[in-house]
Amino acid sequence: SYELTQPPSVSVSPGQTASITCSGDKLGDKYACWYQQRPGQSPVLVIYQDNKRPSGIPERFSGSNSGNTATLTINGTQAMDEADYYCQAWASTTVVFGGGTKLTVL
Amino acid sequence: QVQLQESGPGLVKPSETLSLTCVVSGYSISSGYYWGWIRQSPGKGLEWIGSIYYSGSTYHNPSLKSRVTISVDTSKNQFSLKVNSVTAADTAVYYCARQSSTAGTTAFDYWGQGTPVTVSS
Repeated sequence: SYELTQPPSVSVSPGQTASITCSGDKLGDKYACWYQQRPGQSPVLVIYQDNKRPSGIPERFSGSNSGNTATLTINGTQAMDEADYYCQAWASTTVVFGGGTKLTVL
Repeated sequence: QVQLQESGPGLVKPSETLSLTCVVSGYSISSGYYWGWIRQSPGKGLEWIGSIYYSGSTYHNPSLKSRVTISVDTSKNQFSLKVNSVTAADTAVYYCARQSSTAGTTAFDYWGQGTPVTVSS
């Protein structure tokens, strides 16, 4: 079965750039999307089709996907961005989620 | 505004069947899209359970397929999940979501608030 691997945690200082990676076999040949989940809340789609932002998602969120790695980048990270982030891909009629990354803004 | 609301028992006994319903408002299920179920065990990540199209076509997570049934009722604009023979490992928050599928990919763009289900005697 297809697997997506994320680092358990990433730390960033306010105003700096945060990068969260998601690795999978030939992931660049598929599309990746990303979800933000704040504590006690439902996930929110922040990036789809590798690098598209849904309406209402701030421009500081961006995405890329090449080779075996997809990356979610948050420019000018704010305290409100502290959350868990999950990547997701579609592989052989199966939806696959990464294990999630806790982003700490400190 | 698309809204989804899960409902169902919060407590299920081991070996019994977990049953949940997701009511959709602000969008007609019959207009298209797949509709999915995702769960999150306490302190863990997201796990896709399965998805259904308004026509009734379904696909499931292979690890759960033998225990899962997903159905749709377009007249009530809702879809449902049943998980048989539950164990403590099925304890989780269960989410329903709209699944947007284009260009060979898929993403969940609207989510319900989630409903917690505990499996315990």
